[in-house]
Amino acid sequence: DGGITQSPKYLFRKEGQNVTLSCEQNLNHDAMYWYRQDPGQGLRLIYYSQIVNDFQKGDIAEGYSVSREKKESFPLTVTSAQKNPTAFYLCASGDRGFSTDTQYFGPGTRLTVL
Amino acid sequence: GQNIDQPTEMTATEGAIVQINCTYQTSGFNGLFWYQQHAGEAPTFLSYNVLDGLEEKGRFSSFLSRSKGYSYLLLKELQMKDSASYLCAVRDRYSNSGYALNFGKGTSLLVTP
Repeated sequence: DGGITQSPKYLFRKEGQNVTLSCEQNLNHDAMYWYRQDPGQGLRLIYYSQIVNDFQKGDIAEGYSVSREKKESFPLTVTSAQKNPTAFYLCASGDRGFSTDTQYFGPGTRLTVL
Repeated sequence: GQNIDQPTEMTATEGAIVQINCTYQTSGFNGLFWYQQHAGEAPTFLSYNVLDGLEEKGRFSSFLSRSKGYSYLLLKELQMKDSASYLCAVRDRYSNSGYALNFGKGTSLLVTP
């Protein structure tokens, strides 16, 4: 089945540790996105990538890093520099970031920093 | 940057009709999306408008007026399973690199028996 997968669904991390969230899609989409969602707030864009080996910072990129070595994969690393990392993280993909194509979301990863 | 405003909460009765409004300000409008999000789950795509007018999809319809910076999502024949958060998102030119979606804070809809 085609779709977007994120793993793990729940993730716990100790303060000061880096952690990597996985996002994989088999929809053959060029563009991929990472959002963060906090209670009572809208989704905020962290990073996005229009094409392999290229990515751009979003509104809240500080304390995060990404890579796009393969079309199917767009992992997000939450570093120890991110001051308030506890949140629901959503990955999305779309056909082409330059067009009006719809973004489709993965199931999300809920990260809790202990 | 842009502002996207939608009501925080709404309540409606099963079987009724509800309209969720969204207003926005943007410099490079390139489409408006509505998503449904149940608690703890990912948003799912409902509708997309880029031209003025009404788009109908079964029980759900979405309207857009670009000159007024206004959209609404209309839900008919409400069912209990429609209780969810509804997110309005505007596609705008984010940078020279392309487009991105900017989301409102969402409207939490409660459907009561």
